[in-house]
Formats: sequence, C-alpha cells, structure tokens
Amino acid sequence: GAVVSQHPSWVICKSGTSVKIECRSLDFQATTMFWYRQFPKQSLMLMATSNEGSKATYEQGVEKDKFLINHASLTLSTLTVTSAHPEDSSFYICSAYKFPTNEQFFGPGTRLTVL
Amino acid sequence: AQKITQTQPGMFVQEKEAVTLDCTYDTSDQSYGLFWYKQPSSGEMIFLIYQGSYDEQNATEGRYSLNFQKARKSANLVISASQLGDSAMYFCAMREGRRSSASKIIFGSGTRLSIRP
Repeated sequence: GAVVSQHPSWVICKSGTSVKIECRSLDFQATTMFWYRQFPKQSLMLMATSNEGSKATYEQGVEKDKFLINHASLTLSTLTVTSAHPEDSSFYICSAYKFPTNEQFFGPGTRLTVL
Repeated sequence: AQKITQTQPGMFVQEKEAVTLDCTYDTSDQSYGLFWYKQPSSGEMIFLIYQGSYDEQNATEGRYSLNFQKARKSANLVISASQLGDSAMYFCAMREGRRSSASKIIFGSGTRLSIRP
C-alpha cells in the first residue's frame, strides 16, 4: 500500500515555542490531507482538511491561528503548533487521500509533549 | 451531522474465539462509506475493512468481516479465530459522500480489545 510519513515521530518543546510537523505522501500525490489530534485513551478528532494550493478548512472549535496548516505541494502538508502550551500535548496524525483509488492512508503519528 | 457510536469501551475475548465489535452510525446522506481501523499501542492506524453504503454484500478481508445492516444503521466488525496480536484499539469510522471524494473521515470512540491466551 501507499506510504505516508510524518516527521518528527516525537518532539518535546518548551511552553511558548512553535513546533512544525510534516506529513508526506511518499509514493503518490495527495491533493487533500487531513490532520487529526488524539489525546490519551481517546478517539481521533479531526482538526482540519488541507487542500493543496488553498487555505485549510478547520473544524469547529479548532483555532486556525494556533494550528497553522500549509499544503504547498502535492506530497507535503505541514502543521505548525504556534505558542505551544502543555494542553497542546497530544498525538497528531495526518492522513492523505489518494486519487484515483480513493483510499486514505494514515501517517504513523507525531507525539508532541509541551513542558 | 454524521455520528459514529461504539458502545463497548473494552472487551476481553479468549484466544481463537470469534468477537463482534459493535458500531452504529447516523447520517442523512444516502452515499457514505464505513471503515474499521486497528490501532496498536504504537499508535499507527491500520486499515482493516471498508463497506460502501451501496455495496450489496458484506465486506470481508481475511479474518475480518463487516456485518452491515443498513436499515438499522449498524456496521459491526467480526473477527474470526482471534489471535493474541489482535489486542488493540479498534475504531469504526465513516465518510459521507461517494468513495470517489476526498471527504473527511469521522471516528467513533473506539473499543479496546484484549485477547486472553
């Protein structure tokens, strides 16, 4: 199957700093990518839909100025957590939509810990 | 708005037994897709099985089968001959719209399955 990578796989940062997470589709072009957040022992919650070359669509309750999404190419979307706080500590997972098979492939996730 | 409900937070099953994980959904769309994913402790999301709303037959993938009852809006996952490696979180998920669309996938709360040796 297709492969989606995330970098870094884990990151620890200080409160107030910004962290960038990359999501790459390695062997296919993804016009649409999705970003999810998963707190411990909870489900995946969709944060935003990222479309190549256009602004991301954020889910209700997700601060677009805090979670900056850039989908500058067909194989790369980035999520930047700005001015991170301990409550932003979570597991962030991306998925990429593959056309024409219409499948979605998930990345391995990035574990963010904000001290 | 679409909604996925998984009413079993946790289940224990004896190895080699079959297990059914429940999932009900709610949507006003006529065209939608239902998924099951497995998430082991590593965190990766592993795709198991897909059922389209217009598919007439229940989907099967190896030891996994999806018991799709459209009128009841249920999409239960059946795992036959469970193995120790099946211990993980299992999520039911739904995407509205035809499969040929990059629509978002929404997840249920999950069921933690533990297989006893």
